[in-house]
Amino acid sequence: DIQVTQSPSTLSASIGDRVTITCRATLSISYWLAWYQQKPGKAPKLLIYKASALESGVPSRFSGSRSGTEFTLTITSLQPDDVATYFCQQYNSYVFGGGTKVEI
Amino acid sequence: EVQLVQSGAELKKPGESLKISCKGSGYSFGDHWIAWMRQTPGKGLEWIGLINPSDSDIRYSPALQGQVTISADKSFSSASLEWSSLKASDTATYFCARRKVDQDAFDIWGQGTVVTVSS
Repeated sequence: DIQVTQSPSTLSASIGDRVTITCRATLSISYWLAWYQQKPGKAPKLLIYKASALESGVPSRFSGSRSGTEFTLTITSLQPDDVATYFCQQYNSYVFGGGTKVEI
Repeated sequence: EVQLVQSGAELKKPGESLKISCKGSGYSFGDHWIAWMRQTPGKGLEWIGLINPSDSDIRYSPALQGQVTISADKSFSSASLEWSSLKASDTATYFCARRKVDQDAFDIWGQGTVVTVSS
């Protein structure tokens, strides 16, 4: 099975900072990866699909990119509402990354 | 509003049976596959399986196949996840989620059902 390794597990940043989260797949998965945001006690929310497509209604400060088997979620200017845990999910067997907790 | 609404929290004993549900509204239920996921502090988010409500075609995670049963009733816009004999290791929060039409990503999620299995 293809696995994804997400890093870092925890990230502390300041309001306005550029934040980057990475997922690395063990094999090529083309563009087939999504990113989710989850706040405590809530369900995950889709942010990005197909590596870089922004889901409708998601602020444009969120973006996704791919370089080979490495995928990146970027928040260009961190806002207080962005405090959450972020997960990647590869389409093959719907495997999720371990999550990155973003703190202010 | 497009939404999935799940049934309430459950407290069960090992060996008991359970069926939890997920009801869709605001869209044509048969047009999107429905997935079930579970989340635990130790294992994170795990995919359990996927059902097409139009024809009840089902895909299970190999790791969980045989441990749960997924079903759907298109006429009631509802999907279900069922156990015949619960184990303590089934304790988790369970989410249903709608698969995007042409992507293996999930754009609408239920609010989650907390299942606790304890003697």
